[in-house]
Amino acid sequence: KAGVTQTPRYLIKTRGQQVTLSCSPISGHRSVSWYQQTPGQGLQFLFEYFSETQRNKGNFPGRFSGRQFSNSRSEMNVSTLELGDSALYLCASSPRTDSGNTIYFGEGSWLTVV
Amino acid sequence: GENVEQHPSTLSVQEGDSAVIKCTYSDSASNYFPWYKQELGKRPQLIIDIRSNVGEKKDQRIAVTLNKTAKHFSLHITETQPEDSAVYFCAAAKNNAGNMLTFGGGTRLMVKP
Repeated sequence: KAGVTQTPRYLIKTRGQQVTLSCSPISGHRSVSWYQQTPGQGLQFLFEYFSETQRNKGNFPGRFSGRQFSNSRSEMNVSTLELGDSALYLCASSPRTDSGNTIYFGEGSWLTVV
Repeated sequence: GENVEQHPSTLSVQEGDSAVIKCTYSDSASNYFPWYKQELGKRPQLIIDIRSNVGEKKDQRIAVTLNKTAKHFSLHITETQPEDSAVYFCAAAKNNAGNMLTFGGGTRLMVKP
């Protein structure tokens, strides 16, 4: 069974631009979560989608948004990029959305904002 | 919201020794506590988890203990090997918060041969 797939793996953007990251969950998984990982802030939860609905949202500004499609694939978008948005963005999938499920991470998308 | 603190931030041990990493959480509603291992440049991978109805869980050289009263949980690695070198993250999740994990700051474990 294929793991969580994220694209693109690496990208460089300029301040003020916007970026879209994509995530394909493990087959059969309906929950997709997004996390931001930085050296200073560690791993922080962005949001979770389940059955095309946002289930939970972390403490990030409205520039960070996401969506989930009917096939459970998910995208996250960051608008008006700032230097501080440079990070590893990790997508994670799980079969269900109740607590206690094993969450599987993808390899991540490395975003550099210059 | 939930806050998870993890100690120490770095840990250096000799091969064959044991390593212990400790985490505390703030929200008594948290009931699921996974541990992830992240090697350099790779994805976090689940190594063990524990639920609030269990006090201890063991998987070969790895064990996790949970003290709900004190709101802390610990990872124990015995007979450490160089391939155990990585960053370890603890996390906590609440029953009504889906798959939202709150992570500790991470511990960089270095196992010297």
